[in-house]
Amino acid sequence: DGGITQSPKYLFRKEGQNVTLSCEQNLNHDAMYWYRQDPGQGLRLIYYSQIVNDFQKGDIAEGYSVSREKKESFPLTVTSAQKNPTAFYLCASSLQGPNQPQHFGDGTRLSIL
Amino acid sequence: DAKTTQPNSMESNEEEPVHLPCNHSTISGTDYIHWYRQLPSQGPEYVIHGLTSNVNNRMASLAIAEDRKSSTLILHRATLRDAAVYYCILTKPMEYGNKLVFGAGTILRVKS
Repeated sequence: DGGITQSPKYLFRKEGQNVTLSCEQNLNHDAMYWYRQDPGQGLRLIYYSQIVNDFQKGDIAEGYSVSREKKESFPLTVTSAQKNPTAFYLCASSLQGPNQPQHFGDGTRLSIL
Repeated sequence: DAKTTQPNSMESNEEEPVHLPCNHSTISGTDYIHWYRQLPSQGPEYVIHGLTSNVNNRMASLAIAEDRKSSTLILHRATLRDAAVYYCILTKPMEYGNKLVFGAGTILRVKS
């Protein structure tokens, strides 16, 4: 079945470490997105990419980095510069256009040890 | 970004219709109205979207006011599986792609 796969489901990070969250899609979507969700709140956009080798900052990009070397993959690195990384991270993809729904993965929950 | 206002929570009985309201008084002409829902510890799921006309799909109906300043998501017969957080979102064309701006949403509780 087509869909979005995020891994791992749970991730623990020590202070000062960078960690990379994986996001793969087989929906043949050009656009991919990373969101962060804190408890009891809606999602906030971190980064998005409309095409391979191109991406733009969202509303809360500080302390994060991404790459888009392949259409199917959009990994997110949470760097040590992100002072409050504990959150639920969600990846999404879509066809291009404002009327196109976004398809979400099941998320990665990141915690600091 | 244009904002939406939704009730914090609503409650419904199983197999009864549910009307989830959303106000978006600052909507612009090019903004689409999208609805997503999210179950605990899962990613959001697309429900429905529209621009000006009412829309129906297998999951729900979307009723859009004539002035587009409000809309209502209608679940025709609520089931226990419909208990979730429902987000009303405006999307607009950006220079690069479309952007979803999530609010806190409405927690829907369904009683058996």
